[in-house]
Amino acid sequence: QQQVKQSPQSLIVQKGGISIINCAYENTAFDYFPWYQQFPGKGPALLIAIRPDVSEKKEGRFTISFNKSAKQFSLHIMDSQPGDSATYFCAASRRGSTLGRLYFGRGTQLTVWP
Amino acid sequence: DAGVIQSPRHEVTEMGQEVTLRCKPISGHDYLFWYRQTMMRGLELLIYFNNNVPIDDSGMPEDRFSAKMPNASFSTLKIQPSEPRDSAVYFCASRNRDSGGRAFFGQGTRLTVV
Repeated sequence: QQQVKQSPQSLIVQKGGISIINCAYENTAFDYFPWYQQFPGKGPALLIAIRPDVSEKKEGRFTISFNKSAKQFSLHIMDSQPGDSATYFCAASRRGSTLGRLYFGRGTQLTVWP
Repeated sequence: DAGVIQSPRHEVTEMGQEVTLRCKPISGHDYLFWYRQTMMRGLELLIYFNNNVPIDDSGMPEDRFSAKMPNASFSTLKIQPSEPRDSAVYFCASRNRDSGGRAFFGQGTRLTVV
């Protein structure tokens, strides 16, 4: 059973456009929602993360929007650049829990055309 | 810190051979995770350890797969005997209970079984 569902599977955006990736989760015990970015040949690396006590977090061109009631969160990449072309994974976990695993979405392959 | 170190980076082996993947987590991290990444299935959690103890191995596909963590600075994932369908990129990741859920990934081992 997929604990975190991610869409779309792939996304093509023009340079300067906005990239939006969506995720939904089921377990209301989750309290940490990170996004990971993966370039070819590399391991995933943390991009940005949010906790459910806020509805939005922004770091540079990257913003997470969080809707606790809908159990959904999304990543927005403003002014998308070719260097943003990568695979993006959303995830969820429970902080400070003995059940310390991250539940990942299936990933979104983003291509930004110059 | 050098980050999570995995070896080898690439492994090509013949079907039926034993394969051992190695991981050195970040010093001080008390969780270690083994993931498998394929195009078809995305990032799959195989097993994870907390304080060197296996917590959840439900993702290990078959008895051919085994993982050990003899001490806090070393873990192995063994496949015996290997099969072509085991071909994938295997990632090791570690995190600290106090890191808010952030996991640090190694560069991965690309395994090809011919």
